[in-house]
Amino acid sequence: EPEVTQTPSHQVTQMGQEVILRCVPISNHLYFYWYRQILGQKVEFLVSFYNNEISEKSEIFDDQFSVERPDGSNFTLKIRSTKLEDSAMYFCASSHTGLDRFFGPGTRLTVL
Amino acid sequence: AQTVTQSQPEMSVQEAETVTLSCTYDTSESDYYLFWYKQPPSRQMILVIRQEAYKQQNATENRFSVNFQKAAKSFSLKISDSQLGDAAMYFCAYRSAVWTDKLIFGTGTRLQVFP
Repeated sequence: EPEVTQTPSHQVTQMGQEVILRCVPISNHLYFYWYRQILGQKVEFLVSFYNNEISEKSEIFDDQFSVERPDGSNFTLKIRSTKLEDSAMYFCASSHTGLDRFFGPGTRLTVL
Repeated sequence: AQTVTQSQPEMSVQEAETVTLSCTYDTSESDYYLFWYKQPPSRQMILVIRQEAYKQQNATENRFSVNFQKAAKSFSLKISDSQLGDAAMYFCAYRSAVWTDKLIFGTGTRLQVFP
């Protein structure tokens, strides 16, 4: 069964550095998402992406965040200048219809 | 704003027994979707079951069924004939049916299954 994959599984970075989290959605899916979960807190919506543009974003998704679908298979989340509070588990998800989400295993981001 | 509450941080069940996980939500909307996701240790979240608010019939998926009480804003998950593989974190989630991409999650319930 096709799955969403994410790389790396764990990323450690210094505060102020840029990171790029990568996701490969399920191949025939059209809708793409990023969520995050800070340790001990709820899973939170960050952004959705459809037809090569952002369709919705949360208040968390400020100017330091950006998303891109650089080719037909990858979907990336870039954090320009990481802060300590960006440490979290980041989940990518995709959907064919926009209703049911298929989630990846997550990337654990640790900002030192 | 919509909220989702899971009041049971942890639950346990004996293999082959039945367990019910609770979820309540708050919304002023009349049309929405509710979901249960399962997250096994170190694995991705998997959709277990979906309920459309306009449907009165409770959704079922093999051993998983829901008790959807729209007036009470309650959406519990019943797992029958529990198996060791059911051990996971279970998240309840809400999504408005008005065009929005945002899934709103509860804090999760960790289910342990004992042999």
